[in-house]
Amino acid sequence: QVQLVQSGAEVKKPGASVTVSCKASGYTFSSYYIHWVRQAPGQGPEWMGLINPSVGSTSYAQKFQGRVTMTRDTSTSTVYMELSSLRSEDTAVYYCARVGVGAPWPAEYFLFWGQGTLINVSS
Amino acid sequence: QSVLTQPPSVSGAPGQRVTISCTGSASNIGAGYDVHWYQQLPGTAPKLLMYGNNNRPSGVPDRFSGSKSGPSASLAITGLQAEDEADYYCQSFDRGLYGYVFGPGTKVTVL
Repeated sequence: QVQLVQSGAEVKKPGASVTVSCKASGYTFSSYYIHWVRQAPGQGPEWMGLINPSVGSTSYAQKFQGRVTMTRDTSTSTVYMELSSLRSEDTAVYYCARVGVGAPWPAEYFLFWGQGTLINVSS
Repeated sequence: QSVLTQPPSVSGAPGQRVTISCTGSASNIGAGYDVHWYQQLPGTAPKLLMYGNNNRPSGVPDRFSGSKSGPSASLAITGLQAEDEADYYCQSFDRGLYGYVFGPGTKVTVL
């Protein structure tokens, strides 16, 4: 079965960077885009961007351009999301998510989700 | 501030029908992009409830149905059950932002 397992919660100071990992299993890693979605406390989800694990190409939401970097390691079926210049407003649960079968851009929907990683930005 | 609008809350008695609206614009839903819906229970990741406007993933009861018309979409829950108490989010694509967008969410309360 498809599983996305994320790294654990972290506390960061403003201005620092954080990297969250997402290890995929149960399917062919290179066959499906992985997206990152975050959710601040009491707010709706917010799409951050995606990575194509096959070739490593990325597309980022305008809001995060210049601050987010998504990479992958095909040898371990793991994707990474690094967010830099952290501020208090970045405190949120960060999710990786895999799209459903036959759901091309821009009609993608998120069928499989990681368990979420809480990033707390606090001085 | 989301480009999709949802009512903050809706409520209904067990067995009743409730609907949740998701209103967008000509830049997203009104441009013809698909709408998807998620259910989120406290402390858990969102769960896909409806995709491609009106398609249910395997395992989702047929009490849930979706529709779309113009710049708006709706999720209906018939035969409301206590287990349906959760937050519901719509999602679509916005060509102005060139990315996926979510609604702010609607809390469904079963009275």
